[in-house]
Amino acid sequence: KAGVTQTPRYLIKTRGQQVTLSCSPISGHRSVSWYQQTPGQGLQFLFEYFSETQRNKGNFPGRFSGRQFSNSRSEMNVSTLELGDSALYLCASSLGLSQETQYFGPGTRLLVL
Amino acid sequence: SQQGEEDPQALSIQEGENATMNCSYKTSINNLQWYRQNSGRGLVHLILIRSNEREKHSGRLRVTLDTSKKSSSLLITASRAADTASYFCATEGGRGSTLGRLYFGRGTQLTVWP
Repeated sequence: KAGVTQTPRYLIKTRGQQVTLSCSPISGHRSVSWYQQTPGQGLQFLFEYFSETQRNKGNFPGRFSGRQFSNSRSEMNVSTLELGDSALYLCASSLGLSQETQYFGPGTRLLVL
Repeated sequence: SQQGEEDPQALSIQEGENATMNCSYKTSINNLQWYRQNSGRGLVHLILIRSNEREKHSGRLRVTLDTSKKSSSLLITASRAADTASYFCATEGGRGSTLGRLYFGRGTQLTVWP
């Protein structure tokens, strides 16, 4: 099976712009979670989608949003980018049940100038 | 907070030695997982241990879980230079948490010298 893929891998944006990141889960997985990783805050949970519905949400401002499509692919969007949004954005997929392994993609590294 | 805390923050050893990393957490959990990350890339799942398990093995990895002390340890035996990476513990579940959400610690940076 192919692993979790994320596109693009690298992105440079300027303050005020918006960005859309994409995640394709492992085939058959219905849950996609998004995490932000920064040196200062570590790995922070953004949100989780299961069967096209947001099931969990972390403590991030409304500028961060996401969605999931019927094929389980997910996108996250960040509007009005700030310098502090520079980070590695990781998505993870799983079947969506409890007690499961989450499989992570390689991440999208976003730099906001 | 449910977030785990790894100890030590950094560990430097020679090839062939064993590496032990510890993780402590604050609330009850359903399971605890260990992940490895190489140089800011994606996380690779290493092992999952459920709250009713005390020890698990996978190749050169040995994980223990003590729910009474709310702690876990990851032992890598006979370390290799390729084991150089950051290691994270992540907890799932328990009171006050939500399904499918992992709480990560800050990680232990392991360096294995040839």
